[in-house]
Amino acid sequence: KAGVTQTPRYLIKTRGQQVTLSCSPISGHRSVSWYQQTPGQGLQFLFEYFSETQRNKGNFPGRFSGRQFSNSRSEMNVSTLELGDSALYLCASSLNTGGMETQYFGPGTRLLVL
Amino acid sequence: DQQVKQNSPSLSVQEGRISILNCDYTNSMFDYFLWYKKYPAEGPTFLISISSIKDKNEDGRFTVFLNKSAKHLSLHIVPSQPGDSAVYFCAARAYSGGGADGLTFGKGTHLIIQP
Repeated sequence: KAGVTQTPRYLIKTRGQQVTLSCSPISGHRSVSWYQQTPGQGLQFLFEYFSETQRNKGNFPGRFSGRQFSNSRSEMNVSTLELGDSALYLCASSLNTGGMETQYFGPGTRLLVL
Repeated sequence: DQQVKQNSPSLSVQEGRISILNCDYTNSMFDYFLWYKKYPAEGPTFLISISSIKDKNEDGRFTVFLNKSAKHLSLHIVPSQPGDSAVYFCAARAYSGGGADGLTFGKGTHLIIQP
């Protein structure tokens, strides 16, 4: 079974631009979560989608948004990019949503904001 | 305030010996704990998990121990192999009335297995 895939793998943008990242979950998985990894803050939860609905949201500004499609694929959008948005963005999928679900991660999209 | 802490940024262990990675947490609402391994330029790989109703879970060379009263968990790797050299993350999840929260991660421990 194919794992979680993320596109693109690398991205360079300038301040003020917007960016859209894509994630395809493991086949049959219906929950997709997004995380940001930076050297200073480590891995931080952005949001989770299940059945096209946002289930949970971390402590990030409204510039960070996402959506999920009927095939469970998910996109994450960051508007008005800032230098501090440079990070590795990781997507994780799980079969369902719930406390005991294991999340499986994709390889990430590395975003550099200049 | 860090709710999940991995106080050792790095750990060096000889090949064949036991590696013990530690993790402490402060949020008593956490009821599911996971360990992930991460190589550079890759996403975290799931290793093993444990729910709060258990105190031990084993999977091959990996064993996770949970001490709820101390809010402490540890990952034991026996025997340690060169391919185990990576950064290990402890993660925890709370389940509240509205549903499960996202995973809260520690900052990671870089495990180095020496030949």
